[in-house]
Amino acid sequence: DAKTTQPNSMESNEEEPVHLPCNHSTISGTDYIHWYRQLPSQGPEYVIHGLTSNVNNRMASLAIAEDRKSSTLILHRATLRDAAVYYCILRGRGDKIIFGKGTRLHILP
Amino acid sequence: ETGVTQTPRHLVMGMTNKKSLKCEQHLGHNAMYWYKQSAKKPLELMFVYNFKEQTENNSVPSRFSPECPNSSHLFLHLHTLQPEDSALYLCASSQGGQGAGYTFGSGTRLTVV
Repeated sequence: DAKTTQPNSMESNEEEPVHLPCNHSTISGTDYIHWYRQLPSQGPEYVIHGLTSNVNNRMASLAIAEDRKSSTLILHRATLRDAAVYYCILRGRGDKIIFGKGTRLHILP
Repeated sequence: ETGVTQTPRHLVMGMTNKKSLKCEQHLGHNAMYWYKQSAKKPLELMFVYNFKEQTENNSVPSRFSPECPNSSHLFLHLHTLQPEDSALYLCASSQGGQGAGYTFGSGTRLTVV
């Protein structure tokens, strides 16, 4: 599975947008980009995924670079409940998801 | 409640005990997974099942024994564990395929004493 690189931690103010970056320079043409988050004392939660085009859902937006070597998860208006570890994952043809260390997002009131 | 239910939520067991973790999903998913999350380490994939058949064992010690009697249920049988096996054990399910997301349970917090 191709690797991803994310910052270890980020801070953002409550009610402001948050842009979480992810680099995946070795992505293959068939890899999907998945994002999950893990709140304290809970299992990971699916956030969003995409292949080539930008994607929106009720939780977030996913912006994918034209060359697909990077992507950005966008939380449009952060709340304290968005404080979590966010994982950017590439999912290839094999039926498994491999987690990295993710980005710990701190939200400041 | 995510749709994937894990029991028990917490478990304390001695090194000579035998116990089992249970995972159940009624989402109609055909793939199920066990992950281990130790303190300050990334989630580690342990086992993968597709349509009740084990398709991946990620070099997991034999003291962990998975069982998948049907597509809705997954067990992890534990025996003669070590203190370093203390961790959060997470179950997940998915429809299968690269575009499908995983649904995780809340996990079982295991402490081996």
